[in-house]
Amino acid sequence: DGGITQSPKYLFRKEGQNVTLSCEQNLNHDAMYWYRQDPGQGLRLIYYSQIVNDFQKGDIAEGYSVSREKKESFPLTVTSAQKNPTAFYLCASSTRDPDTTADTQYFGPGTRLTVL
Amino acid sequence: AQSVSQHNHHVILSEAASLELGCNYSYGGTVNLFWYVQYPGQHLQLLLKYFSGDPLVKGIKGFEAEFIKSKFSFNLRKPSVQWSDTAEYFCAVRTGYSSASKIIFGSGTRLSIRP
Repeated sequence: DGGITQSPKYLFRKEGQNVTLSCEQNLNHDAMYWYRQDPGQGLRLIYYSQIVNDFQKGDIAEGYSVSREKKESFPLTVTSAQKNPTAFYLCASSTRDPDTTADTQYFGPGTRLTVL
Repeated sequence: AQSVSQHNHHVILSEAASLELGCNYSYGGTVNLFWYVQYPGQHLQLLLKYFSGDPLVKGIKGFEAEFIKSKFSFNLRKPSVQWSDTAEYFCAVRTGYSSASKIIFGSGTRLSIRP
């Protein structure tokens, strides 16, 4: 089955700890994204990557880091510098060319992170 | 800065009622427009999208949306809702065609349908 997987589904961490959220896709998409979803605020873009070994900050990148060493993987690290990390994190991917009908974002099931 | 506004935070309707969810964006250039739906406990899914051509687009499950460029709007409609339409709906806008263009999401509208 083609799709996007995120693990784990639920994650708990203590204050001061870094934690890494996994995102894998087998859709052969070039672009991948990380969003944070909070109640009443919709989705806010954390980081995105248009191609392997390259990524850009989104609107709320502070306290987060990413890597894109492989096309199919885009892990997100929530560092201890993130002041309010408890949230639902969504990963998405899309093809790169914006002029094709395939340039639509497809989302994973999400990871709910709770900081204790 | 570009933004997307969904003015209805929570809409409650009875089954068979007609639905219209508002979406306005602030950007004067070329846009691609999307509506996504998130059913309880499920992935965010694409409902419909507008790239070019006919401004009235039809999506899955009987939903449609109309792009009105002069009003910067892309409202979602359904003539007769069902209990299974209970979900959160997100409007999104991609501004421009560069490879660096991003999708901006609205804050979402929660739709509750009374059986």
